Amino acid sequence: ETGVTQTPRHLVMGMTNKKSLKCEQHLGHNAMYWYKQSAKKPLELMFVYNFKEQTENNSVPSRFSPECPNSSHLFLHLHTLQPEDSALYLCASSQETGLEKLFFGSGTQLSVL
Amino acid sequence: DQQVKQNSPSLSVQEGRISILNCDYTNSMFDYFLWYKKYPAEGPTFLISISSIKDKNEDGRFTVFLNKSAKHLSLHIVPSQPGDSAVYFCAASGAGGGSQGNLIFGKGTKLSVKP
Repeated sequence: ETGVTQTPRHLVMGMTNKKSLKCEQHLGHNAMYWYKQSAKKPLELMFVYNFKEQTENNSVPSRFSPECPNSSHLFLHLHTLQPEDSALYLCASSQETGLEKLFFGSGTQLSVL
Repeated sequence: DQQVKQNSPSLSVQEGRISILNCDYTNSMFDYFLWYKKYPAEGPTFLISISSIKDKNEDGRFTVFLNKSAKHLSLHIVPSQPGDSAVYFCAASGAGGGSQGNLIFGKGTKLSVKP
């Protein structure tokens, strides 16, 4: 079992759909992150949660809505996405924010039709 | 504008030889640098890091060199093995690079090690 688990691995959705990405970490970490990797672009930070509190929103559109019910779980709720939102969405965790060694999940490959 | 640049999208090396992956950065406030390795269908995994107070850090076959004056770092893999074939991401952080936990990543370099 990997330390950071993401589901689903692949997701295809229409622009009017509502879906959620799930991330769970089994490492006892206190910080969790959502990153986005678009084709031919660097990984971009979307959100940071530290001890369940959101500490960073990197100017992400409101059609992406994160939720962190506890330090082990992180969700990304998606609604009315655009085709340009198609990307690999990666969840990561670290012991605390400021400790830059991140542990990543395998990601959810999202396609918006 | 990109703050962390990996100008070579791909690199091919023969098994047993040295692989050198390069990374340039523009923000002089970066004080901590990391390399991550990513296999297909997996998330990136941490490989090695270096603080700006050092100019070299070695871990087995992997060595990272930092040249602060040139704002350049490189990852050396010696000897290269076919299992090293992956995408390598350079990342940086620091007081000027964003909030805590906000790593700035390069686009990655795909390394292919041929038997």
